[in-house]
Amino acid sequence: AQKITQTQPGMFVQEKEAVTLDCTYDTSDPSYGLFWYKQPSSGEMIFLIYQGSYDQQNATEGRYSLNFQKARKSANLVISASQLGDSAMYFCAMRDPYGGATNKLIFGTGTLLAVQP
Amino acid sequence: DAGITQSPRHKVTETGTPVTLRCHQTENHRYMYWYRQDPGHGLRLIHYSYGVKDTDKGEVSDGYSVSRSKTEDFLLTLESATSSQTSVYFCAISEPGQGKQFFGPGTRLTVL
Repeated sequence: AQKITQTQPGMFVQEKEAVTLDCTYDTSDPSYGLFWYKQPSSGEMIFLIYQGSYDQQNATEGRYSLNFQKARKSANLVISASQLGDSAMYFCAMRDPYGGATNKLIFGTGTLLAVQP
Repeated sequence: DAGITQSPRHKVTETGTPVTLRCHQTENHRYMYWYRQDPGHGLRLIHYSYGVKDTDKGEVSDGYSVSRSKTEDFLLTLESATSSQTSVYFCAISEPGQGKQFFGPGTRLTVL
């Protein structure tokens, strides 16, 4: 069965430092997509970054980059130069490869990041 | 920001009562989804719709039903609410392709 695993329930990082949030996935299908979402304390879900399984380059969006290691089935989120506003819950998700064209997502349990001044 | 609204935003109800949550979009996106978020579980898919009157079950559909009579509206109904359905409910939309989903602001439901 398809599964997303986030093994870090919580993390601390000092302001201005980089931090890596871990995500591993399990699928036997060669075609899938990986997403990261941010959920601040206000509750909304904010899309951060996307990586397709056939993409040759690691995705980047501003201070966010996705360290995609296909052989290890990992899709870690790297946040460079952390800011206080980065304190939030972060979810890794995978487009269900067996969901057809319906774009169903499978979510991990999340990592709570706290940025310390 | 994608135009997605959810109503109500907060609701407290009693066990056994019916509850309907509404999701409304102004983006004309084809796909709509209902998730619930619980501590330790992330977001889990309840039901989804791939067109008007076309819906299907997700991972945790027991006790829930949905309807979509117009492109812009997707309703989630708890026929007889139970305390285990106390949760935060999110609606999301997407288009065919990459699969990026845009989320509504969420509805916090408490079943006493």
